[in-house]
Amino acid sequence: GAVVSQHPSRVICKSGTSVKIECRSLDFQATTMFWYRQFPKQSLMLMATSNEGSKATYEQGVEKDKFLINHASLTLSTLTVTSAHPEDSSFYICSAISGGTEAFFGQGTRLTVV
Amino acid sequence: AQSVTQPDIHITVSEGASLELRCNYSYGATPYLFWYVQSPGQGLQLLLKYFSGDTLVQGIKGFEAEFKRSQSSFNLRKPSVHWSDAAEYFCAVVTHNAGNMLTFGGGTRLMVKP
Repeated sequence: GAVVSQHPSRVICKSGTSVKIECRSLDFQATTMFWYRQFPKQSLMLMATSNEGSKATYEQGVEKDKFLINHASLTLSTLTVTSAHPEDSSFYICSAISGGTEAFFGQGTRLTVV
Repeated sequence: AQSVTQPDIHITVSEGASLELRCNYSYGATPYLFWYVQSPGQGLQLLLKYFSGDTLVQGIKGFEAEFKRSQSSFNLRKPSVHWSDAAEYFCAVVTHNAGNMLTFGGGTRLMVKP
């Protein structure tokens, strides 16, 4: 199947700093990418949907100024957590689709804000 | 709006025993249905999917699932569980009017006793 690479897998940052997470589709062009957040022992909550070359669509309750999403090419989307705080600590997962309905997931990024 | 329910938060089975994980969805038409598995600190791996046709679908790792329209269910089964199957399992749906966005159930944590 198609491969989606997410980097970094783990990151620890200081409160107030920004962190960028990358999501790359390695062997296909992703027309749409999704960003999810997962709290411990909970399900995945969709944060935003991004289409290449256009602004991301954020789910209700997700601060677009805090979680900046850029989908500059058909193989790369980035999520930047700005001015991170301890409550932003979570597991972030991206997924990508290529015109069809099957989504391919990255390995996830464990963000810890100290 | 569509929703996915996984009634069992935790399930414990003995190695070698059979397994059934329940999934119910709420949607007016037949959605696309998926089962994913997530190991701790990892992304999601697709086990199987149902789009149309034969209501019994076979997946990887010996898993199968049966779509029952009358019950709005898509339960996951395995005849003999292995210790390596211990993980979190998510049922998900894609509805055609939601831009191919996945909606996840709450997840079921499977523990396997030796």
